Amino acid sequence: SQKIEQNSEALNIQEGKTATLTCNYTNYSPAYLQWYRQDPGRGPVFLLLIRENEKEKRKERLKVTFDTTLKQSLFHITASQPADSATYLCALGNTGGFKTIFGAGTRLFVKA
Amino acid sequence: DAGVIQSPRHEVTEMGQEVTLRCKPISGHDYLFWYRQTMMRGLELLIYFNNNVPIDDSGMPEDRFSAKMPNASFSTLKIQPSEPRDSAVYFCASTRGGTGWATEAFFGQGTRLTVV
Repeated sequence: SQKIEQNSEALNIQEGKTATLTCNYTNYSPAYLQWYRQDPGRGPVFLLLIRENEKEKRKERLKVTFDTTLKQSLFHITASQPADSATYLCALGNTGGFKTIFGAGTRLFVKA
Repeated sequence: DAGVIQSPRHEVTEMGQEVTLRCKPISGHDYLFWYRQTMMRGLELLIYFNNNVPIDDSGMPEDRFSAKMPNASFSTLKIQPSEPRDSAVYFCASTRGGTGWATEAFFGQGTRLTVV
């Protein structure tokens, strides 16, 4: 069955450092991958989308890579800030369909 | 636009009771999704609609769950009868299709359901 794995353990980093979160998947060939941010008590908020034919995408301090051979995406936050502390979810989907499946998320704590 | 609006924000009900969750998608969005989020299972897709028509309900856990979308601006998720294991946060999300590529989904604030 399709499976998405994100680090279940929280990631603790110091302010100013680069945070790197991992999303691995199995039994799936996604056409796109998305990253969302979720704060406690709130719904997920979209951050970035990367398609299968794209290797890397950037948006301000965020960078996403997508390796369809390794079946892995890496999500980087450079110059991290305490305000970046949240849970980050990766999500996968296929062309022509809108059935997006989500990973369980990784909690990020950025210490001042 | 006010975003996706869900009601109620919190619901506490007794086992066996009927529960109805409501969602108003963003105007102009033609896809609507219902998700359930728990610590154990994360965010699970229950059902999604396109132009008010249910497209995929394979994630609906049991016949106790049903969803409707009578018009483009309103959807309900009903659980009857409710059970303690239905306790979770239920999210509604909407997006605009068009190109065939999934664009970003906009989520509501969620309804926290507790069945005692």
